[in-house]
Amino acid sequence: DAKTTQPPSMDCAEGRAANLPCNHSTISGNEYVYWYRQIHSQGPQYIIHGLKNNETNEMASLIITEDRKSSTLILPHATLRDTAVYYCIVSYYSGNTPLVFGKGTRLSVIA
Amino acid sequence: GAGVSQSPRYKVAKRGQDVALRCDPISGHVSLFWYQQALGQGPEFLTYFQNEAQLDKSGLPSDRFFAERPEGSVSTLKIQRTQQEDSAVYLCASSPGSGGATDTQYFGPGTRLTVL
Repeated sequence: DAKTTQPPSMDCAEGRAANLPCNHSTISGNEYVYWYRQIHSQGPQYIIHGLKNNETNEMASLIITEDRKSSTLILPHATLRDTAVYYCIVSYYSGNTPLVFGKGTRLSVIA
Repeated sequence: GAGVSQSPRYKVAKRGQDVALRCDPISGHVSLFWYQQALGQGPEFLTYFQNEAQLDKSGLPSDRFFAERPEGSVSTLKIQRTQQEDSAVYLCASSPGSGGATDTQYFGPGTRLTVL
């Protein structure tokens, strides 16, 4: 079973920031938080990951609470192309460990 | 560069037929994963290869499912005597396999299998 809890759906206005929450209260000390997204009819796409510190890349920012029991993925200026299902995954290492997906959050960006 | 490719993209099979799904990972990637995604659900792990070695097949739902990667590059997922419950999207992912936290999985577009 997935070790994360996410809201099933969210809406966001185009151009605004999208903030996607994730609860992972049972995360262990050396597990990372990974975010993937899946656009309709495509395979999942890696977005970002973090351990303790907040992270930012060209796609998004990841904010992890100090107790590491929850995190938020931030898309700073959502576009229609960001409409997708977003998965929050807790894993030791993504590269040689099977990912355990939940149902994710379906983000709809509205014009 | 080229990403992970899968073929065919769509496959329709009659119940009882055997099917073979192909995955071409990113060149040089050591790790290869197969996942199954039912409609409206997240992907579920089937099996994992490191080079040609199948290190984990705990997710294969039955002995009708078989995967191989004989030369450590291309992989084939075979389903024998297909059943309607096998209808799903089958996703392949590869990663460099270095084992570090930045070693992420790259997914192909998937093969949509429909069993009639």
